[in-house]
Amino acid sequence: EAGVTQSPTHLIKTRGQQATLRCSPISGHTSVYWYQQALGLGLQFLLWYDEGEERNRGNFPPRFSGRQFPNYSSELNVNALELEDSALYLCASLRGPTYEQYFGPGTRLTVT
Amino acid sequence: GQQVMQIPQYQHVQEGEDFTTYCNSSTTLSNIQWYKQRPGGHPVFLIQLVKSGEVKKQKRLTFQFGEAKKNSSLHITATQTTDVGTYFCAGPPSGTYKYIFGTGTRLKVLA
Repeated sequence: EAGVTQSPTHLIKTRGQQATLRCSPISGHTSVYWYQQALGLGLQFLLWYDEGEERNRGNFPPRFSGRQFPNYSSELNVNALELEDSALYLCASLRGPTYEQYFGPGTRLTVT
Repeated sequence: GQQVMQIPQYQHVQEGEDFTTYCNSSTTLSNIQWYKQRPGGHPVFLIQLVKSGEVKKQKRLTFQFGEAKKNSSLHITATQTTDVGTYFCAGPPSGTYKYIFGTGTRLKVLA
């Protein structure tokens, strides 16, 4: 079965711009989690989508938002980019919130 | 806030030595998951523990979930160079599905 895919692989933006990151989960998986991983650090929970709805969000400002589409793919939007938003953004696909997480390769966002 | 700490932060071992990383949560967790992330890669699922006191083994890896469901450990017997990477624990506080990842333990294995 195909794994989790994310696009783009790399994204370079300037401060104040907006970024859109995309995630396609494994077929049959309805839950998508988004995480931020700053260089050399751990994963910080951003957002959880399940069955098309936002179920929970982490301690991030409202300029981090997203959505999940009817085919369960997901999009993460970051508005008014700041330098500290530079990080690897990972999405994870699950059959449901109590199951193991399958991670995509990530999108490396660089804000200059 | 809710935190999950892992110790040690770094560990260098000679190939063939054993390795253990400990995971401690400030709050009770519904379950604990362990992931391995190779340098430049993404986290890969290793195992999930759900029951209090649960112990699971995968070849040279042994995982434990504490009785209070607030701590966990991963023990690797006779490390190999392929074990290199960062090991993360993760779990949702009871009653939530908001996964909190541990701070990670970076393992280096010297041949």
